[in-house]
Amino acid sequence: QKEVEQDPGPLSVPEGAIVSLNCTYSNSAFQYFMWYRQYSRKGPELLMYTYSSGNKEDGRFTAQVDKSSKYISLFIRDSQPSDSATYLCAFLDSGYALNFGKGTSLLVTP
Amino acid sequence: DAGVIQSPRHEVTEMGQEVTLRCKPISGHNSLFWYRQTMMRGLELLIYFNNNVPIDDSGMPEDRFSAKMPNASFSTLKIQPSEPRDSAVYFCASSLGTGANVLTFGAGSRLTVL
Repeated sequence: QKEVEQDPGPLSVPEGAIVSLNCTYSNSAFQYFMWYRQYSRKGPELLMYTYSSGNKEDGRFTAQVDKSSKYISLFIRDSQPSDSATYLCAFLDSGYALNFGKGTSLLVTP
Repeated sequence: DAGVIQSPRHEVTEMGQEVTLRCKPISGHNSLFWYRQTMMRGLELLIYFNNNVPIDDSGMPEDRFSAKMPNASFSTLKIQPSEPRDSAVYFCASSLGTGANVLTFGAGSRLTVL
């Protein structure tokens, strides 16, 4: 079983839609949960970072962590064409090596 | 701050040639990571430096790969000899402290080995 599972998509939605991106993981030692956004031909950039179960909101973005189900989500409200990118979930235990999902490609059409 | 600077942005070379990728981390960051990204395998950690010292190189695929960090502002990743299966995007990332939780990535070096 892979440590991190993420649907690669692509996911195509109309502008203004609510987007839900998800990852599952198997390692109970993961303590930190992150979402990175990667635009085409660019490096990943940190979007959201959480430590505990529950929700964290930042503008149009909400990160949700369910440790009991080993499941994390990223919700994007009022999606914009500028949100079109690949979204990577990432996990960290007590060490230094991030475990990344392979990314979900999102396209928001005007 | 200009962020993490990588060069070259694109490299096309022939099998057997030596390839050197370069990275300048963010000033003040003391952790540096080299990652490789492919469609098949996603982002893979190759090597991690802390305070210029290699801490974990278990992700380096084989002896053809080597990395150095001679000072706090410069690191290189070398592939010698290169093979077509090395074709990927290579990212350098840096962070403040010993953890990897907040990484700042460079724009990447896209390598094509023919």
